[in-house]
Amino acid sequence: SQQGEEDPQALSIQEGENATMNCSYKTSINNLQWYRQNSGRGLVHLILIRSNEREKHSGRLRVTLDTSKKSSSLLITASRAADTASYFCATERLTGANNLFFGTGTRLTVIP
Amino acid sequence: NAGVTQTPKFRVLKTGQSMTLLCAQDMNHEYMYWYRQDPGMGLRLIHYSVGEGTTAKGEVPDGYNVSRLKKQNFLLGLESAAPSQTSVYFCASSYGGILSYEQYFGPGTRLTVT
Repeated sequence: SQQGEEDPQALSIQEGENATMNCSYKTSINNLQWYRQNSGRGLVHLILIRSNEREKHSGRLRVTLDTSKKSSSLLITASRAADTASYFCATERLTGANNLFFGTGTRLTVIP
Repeated sequence: NAGVTQTPKFRVLKTGQSMTLLCAQDMNHEYMYWYRQDPGMGLRLIHYSVGEGTTAKGEVPDGYNVSRLKKQNFLLGLESAAPSQTSVYFCASSYGGILSYEQYFGPGTRLTVT
């Protein structure tokens, strides 16, 4: 069963605009991670936020985590055409082995 | 460093045939994982390993077997392929341990079972 659900399923924006993707999950977690997948490629890790953190930044990425609402958001600022990809949230539950449970993804298209 | 590599990149099987997918990593990671990705489903964990000689079941293990005889390699086997196993398979690895770390993914193997 999927742990997370991303919203929206697809997002199309103009280059230079900000893109926000949301992720909701069901069970208590150790951490939440965001990954990016270009078409036909493997996933690439973007950022990890631990359950005791509320916000984290990495370059043009800003991630928030609200454990009371079991939700997270990924903000990409000043988007570029090269940001076009699918973005997945993944949660690590408390059960160990660092297993990740992935959401269904948001397909982002940045129009030049 | 090559990171995580997967062999083969593409494969077409007939129902009932068997095959083995090979994953190799050169980062000295303890933990390795096999996922499948289907349209609209995200990634689902098939099996994983927390060290050489160990394996464990993930969310969707039925129809698959794995082996981790060497730390750098993680093999995924399909003994009798079924059309429902048509998917893209990804291998991943991580440092593992008490602290959580990101996973590094291979480029994927696209498998079609006819």
